[in-house]
Formats: sequence, structure tokens, C-alpha cells
Amino acid sequence: SQQGEEDPQALSIQEGENATMNCSYKTSINNLQWYRQNSGRGLVHLILIRSNEREKHSGRLRVTLDTSKKSSSLLITASRAADTASYFCATDSGGSRLTFGEGTQLTVNP
Amino acid sequence: GAVVSQHPSWVICKSGTSVKIECRSLDFQATTMFWYRQFPKQSLMLMATSNEGSKATYEQGVEKDKFLINHASLTLSTLTVTSAHPEDSSFYICSAPKREGQDTQYFGPGTRLTVL
Repeated sequence: SQQGEEDPQALSIQEGENATMNCSYKTSINNLQWYRQNSGRGLVHLILIRSNEREKHSGRLRVTLDTSKKSSSLLITASRAADTASYFCATDSGGSRLTFGEGTQLTVNP
Repeated sequence: GAVVSQHPSWVICKSGTSVKIECRSLDFQATTMFWYRQFPKQSLMLMATSNEGSKATYEQGVEKDKFLINHASLTLSTLTVTSAHPEDSSFYICSAPKREGQDTQYFGPGTRLTVL
């Protein structure tokens, strides 16, 4: 069953703006991962943050994790039209079995 | 380049037939692979864990007799949808951790199944 909830479900912004997506989960985790999916395609791994980490950066991506609130956020800075995709958080509570959030559909308008 | 491949990328079949989907790790061995299903505009749902040389572990609510999983080698897992019905139409995606116990997983490009 899905344990992750993401908000917003859809986000539309202009190129150059920042995009923030949030994810909440219910059980304890080993790590939380963010993935990107272009329409009808497979998933691309973006970033992984472990349960003992609070923040992580990768290029234009910034991920935070608050285990006390069981929540995470993904920030994409200086967005580009090519960032248009669905973004999913996924939690790993052990054994590499991932539980995905509902996803956020990001549209970046040129 | 892709490290996990799936074949076919799409398939259309008649109701009542069986369809086999392959998932291959291309440059590494995977003792464990995972199968997910994704309905349109929805998230991924884990169906089962494929274990090389042993039985697959199915998630609650997934019929093991309908979704047959075989992991006969360290680079290949297959998912067979038996007696497919229109409600089985979905996007099926596999994944594998590149190294045993490694957190990062690599996902295949997915297989679009349409059952008429």
C-alpha cells in the first residue's frame, strides 16, 4: 500500500522559478529517494537521503528530510522547461522495497 | 546508458492470453529484482520481489498465480501475466539494486501492456 503522500499534486511555474515538492510518509525508514518520470517512461533516480541526514544537494536539487515529522521536500532551483515531469518520493524501510508517494506533476512553462 | 532493460517495451494482447515481460540487468548481476505496476496518472505499486533461485515474494493483494515471476539467472527476471484481462492493462516496471544491499536502484524503461 502507498504510504507516501505528496503535495502539491500538480505544480505549474515559469522557467527560472523554483519548484518545491513535499512528501510525507508514515513508517520509519532507512532512506528516502526522489525519482523523476517523464510521461510514459521509466524512472530516473535523482537523489537519496539517508535517515540520519537532514539535507542533501545535487546540482540544482536540494532535498531535506525531517524524520520527526516524517516528511521530505525536494527543491528544484532555476527550473527549466526540460524539468517538466512527474516527481515521486519513495521510502525504503529495509530490503530495498520501495514505497512510492502519489507524485507531483511539475510543468515548467517557457 | 541503460543498466536495466525490459522487453517488450509495449505489447497488445487479447483477453485470456498470457504475456511474458523480461527484465535484464545489463552490466551487473542482480540476485533481487522488483516488479512494479503503474496505472495511468497514478503512482507505482510494488507487486513482488523476484529472488534468484527461489520463489518470489508477493505483496499483499497480488495474485501469485496470475502474475508468475521467474528469476532463473542473475541477470534475468520474467513476469508472466496469465489469462490477461483488460483490467491488467498497465505500465509494468522492474528495478534492481546495482550491488547487493546497495540503496540505489536502477529502473527499467517499463512495458506498456494493453489487453483488448
